[in-house]
Amino acid sequence: DTGVSQNPRHKITKRGQNVTFRCDPISEHNRLYWYRQTLGQGPEFLTYFQNEAQLEKSRLLSDRFSAERPKGSFSTLEIQRTEQGDSAMYLCASSPQGTGGYTFGSGTRLTVV
Amino acid sequence: LAKTTQPISMDSYEGQEVNITCSHNNIATNDYITWYQQFPSQGPRFIIQGYKTKVTNEVASLFIPADRKSSTLSLPRVSLSDTAVYYCLVGDMRGGSQGNLIFGKGTKLSVKP
Repeated sequence: DTGVSQNPRHKITKRGQNVTFRCDPISEHNRLYWYRQTLGQGPEFLTYFQNEAQLEKSRLLSDRFSAERPKGSFSTLEIQRTEQGDSAMYLCASSPQGTGGYTFGSGTRLTVV
Repeated sequence: LAKTTQPISMDSYEGQEVNITCSHNNIATNDYITWYQQFPSQGPRFIIQGYKTKVTNEVASLFIPADRKSSTLSLPRVSLSDTAVYYCLVGDMRGGSQGNLIFGKGTKLSVKP
C-alpha cells in the first residue's frame, strides 16, 4: 500500500465551473476525512466518513460542496459553481477506527481564476 | 471542545534539542494528544500520540504532566530537514465529533545551520 492517494495534484478552473477531486485511502482504513487548507492556516475539517456513511459535515461545507464514498472505498469531493474563495489545498486523510493518527495524502491544490 | 495554544514560531540550530509546548486547559477525559508535522505543499504527517506520562518513538518524545493541561513535543538533535510546521491536536479519536480535532495555526520551526 502506497498510502493515501489524491488526484489531481493541481487543478486550475474558471469561476463558476464544477470540479471533482478523488481520494484513495489506505485500504484497511475505514475512516476517511476531507480537510481544506489555505495559506498560513492549519487544515480545516470539512467532513468524514466511516465506511460509506458520511457521519459529520462542517458548517464550512456549503451546499455547493458534496462528498461521497461509495462502497466505503475511494471518495470524491465535488465543488459546484466554484468561487475564488474556494482556492485552497484540499486534503484527504484516512485512519482506522479508534486511536492513532490520520494518514494524509499530498492534497489537491485548487486555483479558481 | 479542547482548544490548544502553541507558540507561533521557534528558531533552533542543528544538533539542538527542541521542545514545543502545547496548552490545552480544558482537555476532556477521553481526549488524546496528537502531534503532526507539515512541510510546504504536503499533507500533515503523524509524529506521535499520547494520553498521559511519556511516549517515545523513533523520531520524538511526548511529555504529558499528570494534570494533562499541557504537553511537550521533544525533537532530539534537530537537523535542517526538521524545518516545518508542527500541530498539536487534542480530541477523542475513537468516536464523537472528528470536527472537534482542530489543527490551529501550528508552530513554525526554523532550524538553522
